[in-house]
Amino acid sequence: GAGVSQTPSNKVTEKGKYVELRCDPISGHTALYWYRQSLGQGPEFLIYFQGTGAADDSGLPNDRFFAVRPEGSVSTLKIQRTERGDSAVYLCASSPTSQSIPDTQYFGPGTRLTVL
Amino acid sequence: GENVEQHPSTLSVQEGDSAVIKCTYSDSASNYFPWYKQELGKRPQLIIDIRSNVGEKKDQRIAVTLNKTAKHFSLHITETQPEDSAVYFCAATPTTSGTYKYIFGTGTRLKVLA
Repeated sequence: GAGVSQTPSNKVTEKGKYVELRCDPISGHTALYWYRQSLGQGPEFLIYFQGTGAADDSGLPNDRFFAVRPEGSVSTLKIQRTERGDSAVYLCASSPTSQSIPDTQYFGPGTRLTVL
Repeated sequence: GENVEQHPSTLSVQEGDSAVIKCTYSDSASNYFPWYKQELGKRPQLIIDIRSNVGEKKDQRIAVTLNKTAKHFSLHITETQPEDSAVYFCAATPTTSGTYKYIFGTGTRLKVLA
């Protein structure tokens, strides 16, 4: 079946602008994660959804970052007043469930965000 | 919180030789340890994983070992091939938060020389 997809694949924006990044998880996966990967680093956790609710947003760096998953499927990561330091690859991952034991997370191809 | 250290940062081996990548973690409550392979510009792909109730797991040329007492786990690739060249990430899953987020290591760039 189809894997996790993310759009756009690349996004170039100017400092101070607002951006939205979209993630389509694998159908039926209830758990969805957002990570951020800077050059030469491992992915860094941002936020986790179980269904429609954000169960853990402890990784969001500040209040400029926000994410939603209104119908428990597609998720959007929103960044306000972008800064050059926000430039990174934003990865989305989904897993069948995350309510009892850790599960394999399947990653999307990422969105490369560049803030000029 | 959980912290994962990974070594070495780069590793070059001759084709056919073995490669070993090591990771240590800090949270003794972590109980799931996946390994991902990431080729340049591509998504991370799971290659093998191990749960804390198992000491070793093998899948063809790839094996992972876990030492819970020492809080370290290692990836072993035997008979390396040029297509094994990529960046490899280990991760640990702290369970205290209940969210099973992954805490990744900083990655190992493996080069297999033909």
